[in-house]
Amino acid sequence: GAGVSQSPSNKVTEKGKDVELRCDPISGHTALYWYRQRLGQGLEFLIYFQGNSAPDKSGLPSDRFSAERTGESVSTLTIQRTQQEDSAVYLCASSPWRRVGTEAFFGQGTRLTVV
Amino acid sequence: SQQGEEDPQALSIQEGENATMNCSYKTSINNLQWYRQNSGRGLVHLILIRSNEREKHSGRLRVTLDTSKKSSSLLITASRAADTASYFCATEESSGYSTLTFGKGTMLLVSP
Repeated sequence: GAGVSQSPSNKVTEKGKDVELRCDPISGHTALYWYRQRLGQGLEFLIYFQGNSAPDKSGLPSDRFSAERTGESVSTLTIQRTQQEDSAVYLCASSPWRRVGTEAFFGQGTRLTVV
Repeated sequence: SQQGEEDPQALSIQEGENATMNCSYKTSINNLQWYRQNSGRGLVHLILIRSNEREKHSGRLRVTLDTSKKSSSLLITASRAADTASYFCATEESSGYSTLTFGKGTMLLVSP
């Protein structure tokens, strides 16, 4: 597709269940980012992929959160045993790597509600 | 962790006025970027300024960067109601990996 695609766009889950969020980056983009945004807040960095390796996992809030990426393609963010505080919009972005830096292209996010 | 801190947190102006938002950061950077977010969903890139640049223009947008003060400003001239959105600065640090770290944002309301 032309842009970053995230699915599902909305997800309601019961506390304690696992959820999997998907991100399809723009073709050819080597860098991929996951962020979390709680209502009315800024973007909280979760994880960064360069290709299929994750040099920076520092933002993952707990061991319930994990992410993987297949090559320079789709990425999945998995949250195990969801808690109510996990409710947020999860945003994915991708960018082509350039030494001088480049803009990131964002998907529309997945709104996760844990009830 | 959050690198950039925008101020003000919220700004309310009339159409036609200029809007200025500021961003401060803590570490050395390769570049600083400004993004816009409507309705709490995807962000749209507005402008990127590199660490060796001091000012950049794009349409009604003007961005300045002062690396000695670790600060940047975004000026929107002749604002329109359609400019109503949240604006975020993001920094790419010069050490380590190319992660983009965002601030908490400024919510801009432009009234007709």
